[in-house]
Amino acid sequence: AQSVTQLGSHVSVSEGALVLLRCNYSSSVPPYLFWYVQYPNQGLQLLLKYTTGATLVKGINGFEAEFKKSETSFHLTKPSAHMSDAAEYFCAVSTGGGNKLTFGTGTQLKVEL
Amino acid sequence: DADVTQTPRNRITKTGKRIMLECSQTKGHDRMYWYRQDPGLGLRLIYYSFDVKDINKGEISDGYSVSRQAQAKFSLSLESAIPNQTALYFCATSDSLIRNEQFFGPGTRLTVL
Repeated sequence: AQSVTQLGSHVSVSEGALVLLRCNYSSSVPPYLFWYVQYPNQGLQLLLKYTTGATLVKGINGFEAEFKKSETSFHLTKPSAHMSDAAEYFCAVSTGGGNKLTFGTGTQLKVEL
Repeated sequence: DADVTQTPRNRITKTGKRIMLECSQTKGHDRMYWYRQDPGLGLRLIYYSFDVKDINKGEISDGYSVSRQAQAKFSLSLESAIPNQTALYFCATSDSLIRNEQFFGPGTRLTVL
């Protein structure tokens, strides 16, 4: 069985500050890992994904995440927050070829002036 | 035009009523999914379909049924709606040849009174 834990249901940062959203996963086999973003009143949009290869993954809008197998983590970062980054962020894990995703409970990011 | 569309976008209904939510996609994907989103719980998988003749239960299928009318259409039914089915419902699609990336519709907000 696979699972995802997102630490912090709400994170608040100042505009221009570092964004760090935490995600830890549990999987008995090598995982595929994803970060999705949900803007208000919209569906989920893929930010980035890790399948194989390079452990540092770059996504859209300046976000990146690093797969750390030893820590079972896939934390999302952005060097400088922008007001437009305010949204809910979901980490998800998938194993094998079944395309089934297991989502974390989400982190609401607030960006303050 | 959106690649994954959901109708209706909003629906208010009464306990005991039968409700159908529809999903259509123009991405040519073979796999389709239904999720529900509840605050603090993330997204949970209701049903998924790997092709027209392959439909599977997800983690919370009780009280729901689905129909895959064509590769491009996947509908979710609530045979007798109850208030705890009030939630945001998302349809998603994926291509079995592209590892595990799912594309989401805009969601249907369902309220059961």
